Amino acid sequence: DVKVTQSSRYLVKRTGEKVFLECVQDMDHENMFWYRQDPGLGLRLIYFSYDVKMKEKGDIPEGYSVSREKKERFSLILESASTNQTSMYLCASSLFAGGQNIQYFGAGTRLSVL
Amino acid sequence: KNEVEQSPQNLTAQEGEFITINCSYSVGISALHWLQQHPGGGIVSLFMLSSGKKKHGRLIATINIQEKHSSLHITASHPRDSAVYICAVSPSRGADGLTFGKGTHLIIQP
Repeated sequence: DVKVTQSSRYLVKRTGEKVFLECVQDMDHENMFWYRQDPGLGLRLIYFSYDVKMKEKGDIPEGYSVSREKKERFSLILESASTNQTSMYLCASSLFAGGQNIQYFGAGTRLSVL
Repeated sequence: KNEVEQSPQNLTAQEGEFITINCSYSVGISALHWLQQHPGGGIVSLFMLSSGKKKHGRLIATINIQEKHSSLHITASHPRDSAVYICAVSPSRGADGLTFGKGTHLIIQP
């Protein structure tokens, strides 16, 4: 089974702190994604990556950056956390092959910025 | 940008009822996904389809590409089907991230 592991289930940070959210997948998938989920807004794409050191902006990249130094690991960075970044963050990975692009999701990290 | 609309937003039904959740989108896609999210956050992919119909157990998903519409059906619903069901679309460049509907919160009462 594909496993996507997010480093923390719950995280509490203070405004202005630098925050790292880590995601690791064990199926050698090329594509990895970071989403945030908010009530009434659903899931929205922050950043994604096709390959090591590659990154593409999603729909809401402002205030975030990402790092993919190894194929299995995709990190989301909040350079200076703000209260409007309080949210549930979900990582996903996929292998785009033969028209298939099923995404496998981690359990999520619920981040509170105080 | 694709707009994905789901209906209904909330649905409460009795055990055994036939359930239908609808999804429409505005721009051509490479595939449509149905996802399930249980309390606690974990999301599971139920179906990915680009044409026709797929069935898995009591779940059936259909898509009409011309009408840009998909439905998820649950037959003989059970309380363990209670969850949020989310429709999502892959853009024509299939490896990009998904665009999601806001989800349908389904409660099946015993």
